Amino acid sequence: DIQMTQSPSSLSASVGDRVTITCQASQDINNYLNWYQQKPGKAPKLLIYDASNLETGVPSRFSGSGSGTDFTFTISSLQPEDIATYYCQQYDNLLTFGGGTKVEIK
Amino acid sequence: QVQLVQSGAEVKKPGASVKVSCKASGYTFTGYYMHWVRQAPGQGLEWMGWINPNSGDTNYAQKFQGRVTLTRDTSFSTAYMELSRLRSDDTAVYYCATGYCSNGVCPPWGQGTLVTVSS
Repeated sequence: DIQMTQSPSSLSASVGDRVTITCQASQDINNYLNWYQQKPGKAPKLLIYDASNLETGVPSRFSGSGSGTDFTFTISSLQPEDIATYYCQQYDNLLTFGGGTKVEIK
Repeated sequence: QVQLVQSGAEVKKPGASVKVSCKASGYTFTGYYMHWVRQAPGQGLEWMGWINPNSGDTNYAQKFQGRVTLTRDTSFSTAYMELSRLRSDDTAVYYCATGYCSNGVCPPWGQGTLVTVSS
């Protein structure tokens, strides 16, 4: 099974800060990598698909990059409404999720 | 409107079974595998298995082998997840999701179904 290692598990940043989350796969996943935002009591919401494609309607401050086994998710300017837990997910083989990153406002 | 709509919350006793439905609309139901994912309270996301709605083929996570059954009814564009021999640690929100995009179409996850297992 493919393992996804996501870091950090939590972070605290100020409004307007640049926030970066990383995800490492245990093997090449051919860029089959999604990033989700989950708020309490809600289903995960897709933000980035295929490693770097912005889902329709998602603000442009969210972005994704990377290839092979190493991927990065960035919020260019953190907003109060971005408080949530973020997950990476590979779908090259079955589905596997990173452990999540809880983003808080400092 | 592309969406997955799941059945409502359930409360079950230990040892019982639960069956959750997931109705797809706004896209071709048979065009995407359907995955089931669960999330225990305060925990991360755990993949349970997938079903190919076109063929009915399934693949289950080893952890759930023998307890989970995924089925579908293409006439109603609906997928089902049945979990048997429920235990208290099966208390979780269960989601259906395609988990991927095809030709730029990315069906959102179902809203989730809370299953509570309690005596």
